[in-house]
Amino acid sequence: EAGVTQFPSHSVIEKGQTVTLRCDPISGHDNLYWYRRVMGKEIKFLLHFVKESKQDESGMPNNRFLAERTGGTYSTLKVQPAELEDSGVYFCASSQETSGAYNEQFFGPGTRLTVL
Amino acid sequence: AQSVTQLGSHVSVSEGALVLLRCNYSSSVPPYLFWYVQYPNQGLQLLLKYTSAATLVKGINGFEAEFKKSETSFHLTKPSAHMSDAAEYFCAVDLNMFSGGYNKLIFGAGTRLAVHP
Repeated sequence: EAGVTQFPSHSVIEKGQTVTLRCDPISGHDNLYWYRRVMGKEIKFLLHFVKESKQDESGMPNNRFLAERTGGTYSTLKVQPAELEDSGVYFCASSQETSGAYNEQFFGPGTRLTVL
Repeated sequence: AQSVTQLGSHVSVSEGALVLLRCNYSSSVPPYLFWYVQYPNQGLQLLLKYTSAATLVKGINGFEAEFKKSETSFHLTKPSAHMSDAAEYFCAVDLNMFSGGYNKLIFGAGTRLAVHP
């Protein structure tokens, strides 16, 4: 079974440009999460989807970030316009929705974003 | 606010030596606790988790961790380090009980483990 995949693996853009990151969760996983790690710091929660609905977007830094999950399958995270402080590694994770049990999050390899 | 502190951003051990990676959390009630590992160019992989059952938790690759409520700690250990253990390790808490039943991981800053011959 394929794991969580993310595209691209690396992206280098100029300040002010737009970048779109994509995450494909494990098939059948209703929960999808985005996290970000800025250089040398902790991995921080950005937001959580349940199917196509945003359940919690309390970690989104500002309105330059837009996440979508149309159809409840893959998700995109768009940064527009990108700023220097947006550089970091963006992780995606997915989990099943199983009541009465702990739903482990499975992580993708991350997308390394560099804003110059 | 909930937080996770990992003491030591870099730890270096000799092959065959004890591995001890420290993690302390702040929470008013015992959360769910995790250790993840990230090998180069790979995603985060779950090593082990504590979800209010046995306080000594065994994980993959010979790692284990002990939940100590009195010390608010969840240190990761392995009796004998192997070269293949070189990676970055992250301690995390899950705010599941605080976030309406949905998982929300809070991570420490990570500890990079180096194993030398």
